[in-house]
Amino acid sequence: AQSVTQLDSQVPVFEEAPVELRCNYSSSVSVYLFWYVQYPNQGLQLLLKYLSGSTLVESINGFEAEFNKSQTSFHLRKPSVHISDTAEYFCAVTFSGGYQKVTFGTGTKLQVIP
Amino acid sequence: NAGVMQNPRHLVRRRGQEARLRCSPMKGHSHVYWYRQLPEEGLKFMVYLQKENIIDESGMPKERFSAEFPKEGPSILRIQQVVRGDSAAYFCASSTAGGAGELFFGEGSRLTVL
Repeated sequence: AQSVTQLDSQVPVFEEAPVELRCNYSSSVSVYLFWYVQYPNQGLQLLLKYLSGSTLVESINGFEAEFNKSQTSFHLRKPSVHISDTAEYFCAVTFSGGYQKVTFGTGTKLQVIP
Repeated sequence: NAGVMQNPRHLVRRRGQEARLRCSPMKGHSHVYWYRQLPEEGLKFMVYLQKENIIDESGMPKERFSAEFPKEGPSILRIQQVVRGDSAAYFCASSTAGGAGELFFGEGSRLTVL
């Protein structure tokens, strides 16, 4: 069975500082990996995804994540955060074959401090 | 191009009553997922449905909970004889058949059991 671990439940960071949100997964087969973002009182929105190819994937608002198969990680990074990045971030995994049950981590709340 | 529509957004029930949560997937999406979100617990998978079929209900409590996705109309998550522990945000997501696990979420239905 697949699982996702987000060790940090909350990450405070000052505005314009870099941030890394950690995600590790467990799966015995090939996977697809995702980061979703949830703003208060809203549903989740896809931030970026890794399906295949380049292990470094980027979002349109400056986030990036790198798939590291040997470390089974998919950490999310941004070199300079903005107040508007304050939200909860969820890492998710699904098998690359078969049906598409998506398993989510417990989330990391990113709080950007002015 | 409407996204995933969930209603009601907020629902208050007394213990023992029934709660019905509705979800209309994005146009062209044939797969629906229900997740429950509790504070500090992330998103818990409940059930995965295609039109007229339950594909995976491994996350559904054995009693009181049921889900359907009829040929016509929205998907329904039904909770009978609600208890206080059912209070949570329930999110619906949809995807295409070949969506590689990418989910599109509604804004959630927040159930409060008094």
